[in-house]
Order: sequence, then C-alpha cells, then structure tokens
Amino acid sequence: DIQMTQSPFTLSASVGDRVAITCRASQSINSWLAWYQQKPGKAPKLLIYKASSLQSGVPSRFSGSGSGTEFTLTISSLQPDDFATYYCLQHNSYPLTFGGGTKVEIK
Amino acid sequence: EVQLVESGGGLVQPGRSLRLSCTTSGFTFGDFAMTWFRQTPGKGLEWVGFIRGKANGETTEYAASVKGRFTISTDDSKSIAYLQMNGLKTEDTAVYYCTRDPTSQFSSSPRDWGQGTLVTVSS
Repeated sequence: DIQMTQSPFTLSASVGDRVAITCRASQSINSWLAWYQQKPGKAPKLLIYKASSLQSGVPSRFSGSGSGTEFTLTISSLQPDDFATYYCLQHNSYPLTFGGGTKVEIK
Repeated sequence: EVQLVESGGGLVQPGRSLRLSCTTSGFTFGDFAMTWFRQTPGKGLEWVGFIRGKANGETTEYAASVKGRFTISTDDSKSIAYLQMNGLKTEDTAVYYCTRDPTSQFSSSPRDWGQGTLVTVSS
C-alpha cells in the first residue's frame, strides 16, 4: 500500500496568512493526488484534483502543486471560512490512501 | 443536482451483519463508479472499496481490511448502491460515506459525497 505522510499535523495561522500543507507519498503516484477540506460533522469537500487542478467553485486562493512523491496545498490568504481539516488522497493505485490530516486553527 | 443519501447505519453487535444503502439522484447511475469510504477518530479516512459502472462490468475492489466480509453492489433500476457488511468487528465502527466517482472505471477523487451514516459495532 502507498503511505501518505502529511505535515504539519496542526497549523496555527491568522486571517490573511499564506499557508502550505505537504503530502509525501511512499512511492511515485504521478499526479494522482487530490486535496479535501473537511469541517466538523460534514463530508469532505474536493478542492484540488490531479495535483493542481482547481475544482469548479473553489476559491482561487487554493492551489496545488507537485508530482511524483511530494505535493503541496497552498492557501494564499487564509480566510475565516478556511479554518478546517485538510486531507490529501492518492488514487494512483488501490487501495486508495489518505494522509493523516492537517488541522488549520486560528492563531 | 447530484444527491447521495446514506441510510442503514446503527448499533450492531460484533459478528452480526448490516447493510448500508446509498440512494442517489441527479445523474445516470450506471454511468459512474461508486466508492465507499469510512472515517474514524482514530484511523482517519479510509477507502473501503468501490464498484465500477455498468460499462465496466460492475466489478469491485476492496480494502484488505474488509475483503471477504464486505460486498458492494448496486440496483441500477433504483439508482441505489449497497454496502453489505458481514462479520462486523469493533474496528469497523465508523461513519460510512458513499461517493460518486468521476468515471465509470476508476475509484479516484470524488466530488460528490453523501452526508455519512454512523455504524457502531459494540456488544
């Protein structure tokens, strides 16, 4: 199975900050990586697919980059609605696997 | 508008069975693969398995942790996906989500998720 190591575990930031979350795959997953945002009691919401493609309707302050084994989700200017937990998901091979999550908290 | 609604969750004793349903609307059901995920506080998000769409033979793939115990199926006439869970273990306790995949062939990065249904396995 492909292991996804996500960091940091938690991130304290202020509104307006630029933040970055990283996912590392235990082997190459090409660009088959997605990023999700999840709020308490809700299903995950797709933000980025194929490593860098912005899902329709998602604000442009979210961006994704990377390929192979290292990927980054960047929020260019953190907004109040962005405080949530973020997960990466690899779908290069079965079983699909998630990173452990990054909780973005208000500083 | 695509809608996915899970049902069938609840409290069940270890070793017993439970069947979850995912009732869908807003799209041509047989044209898409359907994937089940689950989430626990301890283990985070986990892929359970998926069923390919009609054009790809409605074949299935499963996580090792559920293979041989769980079965995914569909009723195309009712646009419902099912997750039959047999031999339940305490570690199967989770919120279960059904999702619609972007294609018929692959389990990938679904945009469409249900609201989730809680399964608690406990004596």
